[in-house]
Amino acid sequence: ETGVTQSPTHLIKTRGQQVTLRCSSQSGHNTVSWYQQALGQGPQFIFQYYREEENGRGNFPPRFSGLQFPNYSSELNVNALELDDSALYLCASSLGMGGSGYEQYFGPGTRLTVT
Amino acid sequence: AQTVTQSQPEMSVQEAETVTLSCTYDTSESNYYLFWYKQPPSRQMILVIRQEAYKQQNATENRFSVNFQKAAKSFSLKISDSQLGDTAMYFCAFMRAGNNRKLIWGLGTSLGVNP
Repeated sequence: ETGVTQSPTHLIKTRGQQVTLRCSSQSGHNTVSWYQQALGQGPQFIFQYYREEENGRGNFPPRFSGLQFPNYSSELNVNALELDDSALYLCASSLGMGGSGYEQYFGPGTRLTVT
Repeated sequence: AQTVTQSQPEMSVQEAETVTLSCTYDTSESNYYLFWYKQPPSRQMILVIRQEAYKQQNATENRFSVNFQKAAKSFSLKISDSQLGDTAMYFCAFMRAGNNRKLIWGLGTSLGVNP
């Protein structure tokens, strides 16, 4: 069984640029959630995708957007990068809305640094 | 809105001893899930243990167990026979039951296991 993978591992961008982060969900999982974890903080929920549709969004501006593909992999896009966007971005996959689908399994994260 | 509080920013324990990490939460929901996640220096968030609010029995996973007090809204994690590999940040997290299954996190407790 393949776990959750994320790419790239880390990257450095300049303020104002755009970035795309990628996530492959665990085999059999149809739900992907994205979280932002600033240094020394707990993660903050960005949004969730279930079967290619957005299924809830946290308190993040519209320049944070996402996609989920038919194979349930996902992308997180951030436009007009700001210094405060520097963080660890975590992707988690889960089975979905039914029964035991509430457990979320995380990838290794992408460390984004904005200069 | 739900909140999760971890009042111990840092803790330490001697190898082979027992340590308890505290977590309290605030919610008006009756059906929800609670989790403890471990984040070692490698950054990957690892699910340690989970508890369904409708279950009175405390969850146990090998050396890890919880003390779930629903009325007090308390969810502590006990680690028995502590090992050096237990050194990590530990996060308590809350999730409502229902369609939007997002995790709400505490700030974490940094646990150091000393040889």
